[in-house]
Amino acid sequence: GAGVSQSPSNKVTEKGKDVELRCDPISGHTALYWYRQSLGQGLEFLIYFQGNSAPDKSGLPSDRFSAERTGGSVSTLTIQRTQQEDSAVYLCASSTFGGGAYEQYFGPGTRLTVT
Amino acid sequence: DAKTTQPPSMDCAEGRAANLPCNHSTISGNEYVYWYRQIHSQGPQYIIHGLKNNETNEMASLIITEDRKSSTLILPHATLRDTAVYYCIVRAMEYGNKLVFGAGTILRVKS
Repeated sequence: GAGVSQSPSNKVTEKGKDVELRCDPISGHTALYWYRQSLGQGLEFLIYFQGNSAPDKSGLPSDRFSAERTGGSVSTLTIQRTQQEDSAVYLCASSTFGGGAYEQYFGPGTRLTVT
Repeated sequence: DAKTTQPPSMDCAEGRAANLPCNHSTISGNEYVYWYRQIHSQGPQYIIHGLKNNETNEMASLIITEDRKSSTLILPHATLRDTAVYYCIVRAMEYGNKLVFGAGTILRVKS
């Protein structure tokens, strides 16, 4: 079946502009996560959505970052007033509830470059 | 989540078994050992997980020591496509529990 998809695959933006990154999780997956991976650094957690519960925003680095998930499916990560340190690959993952390992399935990521 | 320690890099000959170690001496009783890998320019991929028993699936085997303070991921017949960064993660199996990635091990499979 279809995996997690993300768009755009690449985004180049000027410092100070706002950007929106989109994630389409696997159909039926109720949990959705955003991570980012900066050059030379590991993956860091940003935010987690589960159903109608309040999202876990504990990983968002600043108030310039926000995310929403509409209808329990598609999610958008928004970065306002982008800075050069925001340049990274932004990864989305989803998982399903009930049984198994709750393993997370990752999308291919969006490579964001802030010039 | 418990901290894990992995060697920064390893080499393996194509067709041979790749054995990737992980130390997790502070693992709690309710924490599982998970392995993910990330092939260049792709998102991480789940490989296998276990609590205390050894596990095997179509991708790999996971050997966990009796005291659960360390484990080994085994790729029985490594191929060039297995070249990737391998992450060992310990976490409680709670729905929605985020993954905390360390630096992982860069496995280079060579022909």
